Amino acid sequence: ELKVEQNPLFLSMQEGKNYTIYCNYSTTSDRLYWYRQDPGKSLESLFVLLSNGAVKQEGRLMASLDTKARLSTLHITAAVHDLSATYFCAVDKVGSRLTFGEGTQLTVNP
Amino acid sequence: DSGVTQTPKHLITATGQRVTLRCSPRSGDLSVYWYQQSLDQGLQFLIQYYNGEERAKGNILERFSAQQFPDLHSELNLSSLELGDSALYFCASSVAGSGGFTGELFFGEGSRLTVL
Repeated sequence: ELKVEQNPLFLSMQEGKNYTIYCNYSTTSDRLYWYRQDPGKSLESLFVLLSNGAVKQEGRLMASLDTKARLSTLHITAAVHDLSATYFCAVDKVGSRLTFGEGTQLTVNP
Repeated sequence: DSGVTQTPKHLITATGQRVTLRCSPRSGDLSVYWYQQSLDQGLQFLIQYYNGEERAKGNILERFSAQQFPDLHSELNLSSLELGDSALYFCASSVAGSGGFTGELFFGEGSRLTVL
């Protein structure tokens, strides 16, 4: 059974600081997604990583995928309050039937 | 706006009742997926339909069923509702339906079900 683990689950950080969220998964896959969810809202797609070594960046967020280590990271640079949300990684083993991590609740404090 | 439309947005009902959630996928997408998000179980894949046919089942209870119609919209039917079925139910769609990468998955706004 595919398991996806994120850490940390809760992250409180100051504006302007950098931090990394980690996503480990238990079986081979080369497709990984990162989503953002605001409270009570839908899942917003941030990144789709489709191969080993893939790196994508959008604004202050950068995601990478190491399929050999079964690890993806979401790096936050110079955090701002607007980044406060819950971030999910999800592994696509077969045909977009995603297995999600528990989510990382990020709070960015002024 | 992802282009995936779900109705109703909110639904409150009693235990033992039956409800139907509706989803219209993005234009051109043939696959529809249903996911459940609850506090204790997190986000879980329930079921997938591709071009009208069931393609895969996840952690879907026997009390739940779904279908995809010729116009590609989908309905998730939840019956004999229990308190624990209270959750946010998401529909998502993608272009393709099987094999490797089937296209980016886009989620609707969700239907929040409260069972009292």
